[in-house]
Amino acid sequence: DTGVSQDPRHKITKRGQNVTFRCDPISEHNRLYWYRQTLGQGPEFLTYFQNEAQLEKSRLLSNRFSAERPKGSFSTLEIQRTEQGDSAMYLCASSIHRDQETQYFGPGTRLLVL
Amino acid sequence: EDQVTQSPEALRLQEGESSSLNCSYTVSGLRGLFWYRQDPGKGPEFLFTLYSAGEEKEKERLKATLTKKESFLHITAPKPEDSATYLCAVQAGWGSGGSNYKLTFGKGTLLTVNP
Repeated sequence: DTGVSQDPRHKITKRGQNVTFRCDPISEHNRLYWYRQTLGQGPEFLTYFQNEAQLEKSRLLSNRFSAERPKGSFSTLEIQRTEQGDSAMYLCASSIHRDQETQYFGPGTRLLVL
Repeated sequence: EDQVTQSPEALRLQEGESSSLNCSYTVSGLRGLFWYRQDPGKGPEFLFTLYSAGEEKEKERLKATLTKKESFLHITAPKPEDSATYLCAVQAGWGSGGSNYKLTFGKGTLLTVNP
């Protein structure tokens, strides 16, 4: 299967700890997106990359969050000093940049902050 | 600001009972409207993209339609395996400000199909 993959699938951490998630997009997809989804809500946009350039960050993305895509392939999302409110499903999606593009999502990383 | 409202929040059907889900949207220039299916604990699975009013797309028991203000996902003779949350999302077009590529999602409709 050559879909979007995310690692880990589940993460439990204590408040104040740092966590890092990884996303591997579909090969040849030059755009990569991060979204966050809480229970009963739709996914909310966090940030996106075109190749290695981070082109936009949501106002939702506090300075405790940082994302990278160093070689334009995989991406990491780091949350520093986690808070209980960070508990959510973190979703990654990828697409090919074109006028009409479809974003394909990975399975997500479920984060629980105790 | 782009907004997407889905109704109903939850829908329970008997197997074979057809129905429709609604997605109303407000966006500054629509680039595309997307339907996804999401099973519990999994990421959204792409179903359809609609680009202009009047467009329709079909896949098995599902048919998506689009007007200038809303989209419908029609489910014909549903089966229990169609049970899932159905998400609608919009992508704004040029001149809307901010990102032209992010998806703005509704809260979804939780569909349950009983055998």
